[in-house]
Amino acid sequence: QVQLVESGGGVVQPGRSLRLSCAASGFTFSSYGINWVRQAPGKGLEWVAVTSYDGDNKYYADSVKGRFTISRDNSKNTLWLQMTSLRTEDTAVYYCAKNLRQYSSRSSNFDYWGQGTLVTVSS
Amino acid sequence: QSVLTQPPSVSAAPGQKVTISCSGSSSNIGNDYVSWYQQLPGTAPKLLIYDNNKRPSGIPDRFSGSKSGTSATLGITGLQTGDEADYYCGTWDRSLSAGVFGGGTKLTVL
Repeated sequence: QVQLVESGGGVVQPGRSLRLSCAASGFTFSSYGINWVRQAPGKGLEWVAVTSYDGDNKYYADSVKGRFTISRDNSKNTLWLQMTSLRTEDTAVYYCAKNLRQYSSRSSNFDYWGQGTLVTVSS
Repeated sequence: QSVLTQPPSVSAAPGQKVTISCSGSSSNIGNDYVSWYQQLPGTAPKLLIYDNNKRPSGIPDRFSGSKSGTSATLGITGLQTGDEADYYCGTWDRSLSAGVFGGGTKLTVL
Protein backbone atom coordinates (compact mmCIF):
# COMPACT_ATOMS: atom_id res chain seq x y z
CA GLN A 1 0.00 0.00 0.00
CA VAL A 2 1.07 3.57 -0.62
CA GLN A 3 2.89 5.16 2.31
CA LEU A 4 4.41 8.57 2.78
CA VAL A 5 6.31 9.13 6.01
CA GLU A 6 7.62 12.57 6.91
CA SER A 7 10.40 13.21 9.40
CA GLY A 8 12.80 15.95 10.43
CA GLY A 9 10.47 18.33 12.19
CA GLY A 10 11.29 19.97 15.49
CA VAL A 11 11.89 23.25 17.26
CA VAL A 12 14.25 25.69 15.55
CA GLN A 13 15.16 29.31 16.16
CA PRO A 14 14.22 32.05 13.69
CA GLY A 15 16.81 32.46 10.96
CA ARG A 16 18.05 28.88 11.23
CA SER A 17 17.65 25.99 8.82
CA LEU A 18 15.92 22.62 8.87
CA ARG A 19 15.55 19.77 6.39
CA LEU A 20 12.44 17.66 6.17
CA SER A 21 12.31 14.21 4.59
CA CYS A 22 9.48 12.20 3.08
CA ALA A 23 10.07 8.47 2.59
CA ALA A 24 7.78 6.90 0.00
CA SER A 25 6.79 3.29 -0.61
CA GLY A 26 4.12 1.22 -2.29
CA PHE A 27 4.17 2.97 -5.67
CA THR A 28 6.56 3.87 -8.49
CA PHE A 29 8.01 6.98 -6.87
CA SER A 30 9.89 8.04 -9.98
CA SER A 31 6.65 8.44 -11.96
CA TYR A 32 4.87 10.98 -9.75
CA GLY A 33 5.14 14.61 -8.82
CA ILE A 34 5.24 15.12 -5.05
CA ASN A 35 4.20 18.18 -3.08
CA TRP A 36 4.76 19.77 0.29
CA VAL A 37 1.66 21.26 1.92
CA ARG A 38 1.66 22.89 5.35
CA GLN A 39 -0.91 23.78 7.97
CA ALA A 40 -0.24 26.31 10.70
CA PRO A 41 -1.83 25.52 14.08
CA GLY A 42 -5.57 26.07 13.86
CA LYS A 43 -5.32 27.36 10.29
CA GLY A 44 -6.05 26.10 6.79
CA LEU A 45 -3.97 24.28 4.23
CA GLU A 46 -1.20 26.12 2.39
CA TRP A 47 0.49 24.60 -0.65
CA VAL A 48 4.27 25.02 -0.38
CA ALA A 49 6.07 23.39 -3.31
CA VAL A 50 6.03 20.61 -5.90
CA THR A 51 8.71 18.72 -7.79
CA SER A 52 8.04 16.93 -11.05
CA TYR A 53 8.52 13.19 -11.31
CA ASP A 54 12.09 13.61 -12.55
CA GLY A 55 13.03 16.61 -10.42
CA ASP A 56 13.50 18.85 -13.45
CA ASN A 57 10.59 21.16 -12.71
CA LYS A 58 9.92 22.77 -9.36
CA TYR A 59 7.36 25.33 -8.28
CA TYR A 60 7.09 27.25 -5.02
CA ALA A 61 4.61 29.38 -3.13
CA ASP A 62 5.63 33.04 -3.03
CA SER A 63 5.82 32.83 0.77
CA VAL A 64 8.76 30.40 0.62
CA LYS A 65 10.41 31.21 -2.71
CA GLY A 66 14.11 31.81 -2.29
CA ARG A 67 14.16 30.27 1.20
CA PHE A 68 12.91 26.70 0.68
CA THR A 69 14.21 24.12 -1.80
CA ILE A 70 12.39 20.96 -2.78
CA SER A 71 14.40 18.00 -4.07
CA ARG A 72 14.13 14.27 -4.60
CA ASP A 73 16.22 11.17 -5.09
CA ASN A 74 14.33 8.59 -7.11
CA SER A 75 16.91 5.93 -6.32
CA LYS A 76 16.08 6.32 -2.62
CA ASN A 77 12.33 6.98 -2.99
CA THR A 78 12.82 10.09 -0.90
CA LEU A 79 11.69 13.72 -1.08
CA TRP A 80 13.22 16.58 0.87
CA LEU A 81 12.38 20.14 1.80
CA GLN A 82 15.38 22.25 2.73
CA MET A 83 14.15 25.22 4.72
CA THR A 84 16.44 28.19 5.39
CA SER A 85 15.97 31.62 6.98
CA LEU A 86 13.05 30.23 8.94
CA ARG A 87 10.45 32.62 10.30
CA THR A 88 7.91 32.25 13.08
CA GLU A 89 5.19 32.18 10.43
CA ASP A 90 6.70 28.98 9.02
CA THR A 91 5.49 27.15 12.13
CA ALA A 92 3.19 24.41 10.84
CA VAL A 93 2.60 20.74 10.27
CA TYR A 94 4.27 19.88 6.98
CA TYR A 95 2.73 17.15 4.83
CA CYS A 96 4.10 15.51 1.71
CA ALA A 97 1.39 14.63 -0.79
CA LYS A 98 1.50 12.56 -3.97
CA ASN A 99 -0.04 13.70 -7.25
CA LEU A 100 -2.88 11.55 -8.50
CA ARG A 101 -1.61 11.20 -12.06
CA GLN A 102 1.72 9.99 -13.33
CA TYR A 103 4.04 12.59 -14.81
CA SER A 104 1.90 15.55 -13.70
CA SER A 105 3.35 18.33 -11.59
CA ARG A 106 1.03 21.33 -11.88
CA SER A 107 -1.98 19.81 -10.16
CA SER A 108 -4.06 20.02 -7.00
CA ASN A 109 -5.11 16.36 -7.11
CA PHE A 110 -3.25 14.78 -4.19
CA ASP A 111 -4.41 11.23 -3.58
CA TYR A 112 -2.07 10.21 -0.75
CA TRP A 113 -0.75 12.25 2.14
CA GLY A 114 1.70 11.53 4.92
CA GLN A 115 0.85 11.97 8.59
CA GLY A 116 2.79 15.23 8.77
CA THR A 117 5.75 16.51 10.76
CA LEU A 118 5.55 19.55 13.03
CA VAL A 119 8.00 22.41 12.59
CA THR A 120 8.05 25.04 15.32
CA VAL A 121 10.05 28.20 14.74
CA SER A 122 10.56 29.96 18.03
CA SER A 123 13.27 31.67 20.01
CA GLN B 1 -6.05 35.79 2.74
CA SER B 2 -6.62 32.71 0.58
CA VAL B 3 -6.70 32.89 -3.22
CA LEU B 4 -9.87 30.78 -3.22
CA THR B 5 -12.83 31.91 -1.12
CA GLN B 6 -14.94 29.51 0.93
CA PRO B 7 -17.54 30.20 3.63
CA PRO B 8 -15.98 29.70 7.08
CA SER B 9 -18.76 27.42 8.24
CA VAL B 10 -21.91 25.61 7.18
CA SER B 11 -24.33 23.48 9.13
CA ALA B 12 -27.26 21.17 8.54
CA ALA B 13 -29.18 18.41 10.25
CA PRO B 14 -28.45 14.70 9.85
CA GLY B 15 -29.93 13.31 6.66
CA GLN B 16 -30.08 16.72 5.02
CA LYS B 17 -28.02 18.13 2.15
CA VAL B 18 -25.39 20.85 2.28
CA THR B 19 -23.34 22.68 -0.33
CA ILE B 20 -19.99 24.40 0.09
CA SER B 21 -18.92 27.02 -2.41
CA CYS B 22 -15.44 27.88 -3.63
CA SER B 23 -14.87 31.07 -5.57
CA GLY B 24 -11.78 31.92 -7.58
CA SER B 25 -10.76 33.68 -10.77
CA SER B 26 -9.91 33.09 -14.39
CA SER B 27 -6.29 32.30 -13.51
CA ASN B 28 -7.22 29.39 -11.26
CA ILE B 29 -10.68 27.80 -11.16
CA GLY B 30 -11.57 29.32 -14.51
CA ASN B 31 -8.70 27.51 -16.19
CA ASP B 32 -8.01 24.34 -14.26
CA TYR B 33 -9.61 21.45 -12.45
CA VAL B 34 -10.86 21.74 -8.88
CA SER B 35 -10.31 19.21 -6.13
CA TRP B 36 -11.96 18.90 -2.74
CA TYR B 37 -10.54 17.54 0.53
CA GLN B 38 -12.02 16.42 3.82
CA GLN B 39 -9.95 16.84 6.96
CA LEU B 40 -11.19 15.16 10.11
CA PRO B 41 -9.79 16.51 13.39
CA GLY B 42 -6.18 15.52 13.95
CA THR B 43 -5.77 13.75 10.61
CA ALA B 44 -4.28 14.43 7.21
CA PRO B 45 -6.56 15.70 4.44
CA LYS B 46 -8.33 13.13 2.28
CA LEU B 47 -9.13 13.57 -1.40
CA LEU B 48 -12.90 13.62 -1.92
CA ILE B 49 -13.30 15.01 -5.44
CA TYR B 50 -10.81 15.51 -8.28
CA ASP B 51 -11.14 16.95 -11.78
CA ASN B 52 -14.17 18.99 -10.63
CA ASN B 53 -16.56 16.08 -10.23
CA LYS B 54 -14.79 12.71 -10.04
CA ARG B 55 -14.70 10.58 -6.91
CA PRO B 56 -11.70 8.43 -5.99
CA SER B 57 -12.39 4.80 -5.27
CA GLY B 58 -14.04 4.38 -1.89
CA ILE B 59 -15.66 7.81 -1.72
CA PRO B 60 -19.44 7.40 -1.47
CA ASP B 61 -21.70 9.02 -4.05
CA ARG B 62 -23.17 11.19 -1.29
CA PHE B 63 -20.27 13.49 -2.18
CA SER B 64 -20.42 15.37 -5.47
CA GLY B 65 -18.60 18.23 -7.14
CA SER B 66 -19.40 20.73 -9.85
CA LYS B 67 -17.81 23.74 -11.49
CA SER B 68 -19.16 26.70 -13.38
CA GLY B 69 -16.93 29.49 -14.62
CA THR B 70 -14.75 30.64 -11.76
CA SER B 71 -16.67 28.89 -8.99
CA ALA B 72 -17.00 25.35 -7.76
CA THR B 73 -19.34 23.60 -5.37
CA LEU B 74 -19.11 20.55 -3.15
CA GLY B 75 -22.37 18.84 -2.32
CA ILE B 76 -22.96 16.36 0.47
CA THR B 77 -26.28 14.53 0.77
CA GLY B 78 -27.58 12.28 3.52
CA LEU B 79 -25.47 14.05 6.12
CA GLN B 80 -23.99 11.94 8.90
CA THR B 81 -22.35 13.00 12.14
CA GLY B 82 -19.16 11.46 10.79
CA ASP B 83 -19.12 14.08 8.03
CA GLU B 84 -18.28 16.78 10.58
CA ALA B 85 -14.92 18.01 9.33
CA ASP B 86 -13.11 20.82 7.59
CA TYR B 87 -13.47 20.89 3.80
CA TYR B 88 -11.02 22.53 1.42
CA CYS B 89 -11.11 23.27 -2.28
CA GLY B 90 -7.90 23.42 -4.29
CA THR B 91 -6.66 24.07 -7.79
CA TRP B 92 -3.62 25.25 -9.75
CA ASP B 93 -3.16 28.96 -10.38
CA ARG B 94 -1.59 29.65 -13.76
CA SER B 95 -0.62 33.22 -12.96
CA LEU B 96 1.10 32.29 -9.70
CA SER B 97 2.43 28.98 -11.07
CA ALA B 98 1.44 27.55 -7.72
CA GLY B 99 -1.12 25.35 -6.06
CA VAL B 100 -3.80 27.19 -4.12
CA PHE B 101 -6.38 26.21 -1.51
CA GLY B 102 -9.47 27.83 -0.12
CA GLY B 103 -9.49 28.91 3.50
CA GLY B 104 -11.55 25.89 4.50
CA THR B 105 -15.15 25.38 5.60
CA LYS B 106 -16.10 23.79 8.90
CA LEU B 107 -19.14 21.55 8.52
CA THR B 108 -21.29 21.02 11.59
CA VAL B 109 -23.96 18.33 11.52
CA LEU B 110 -26.48 19.50 14.09
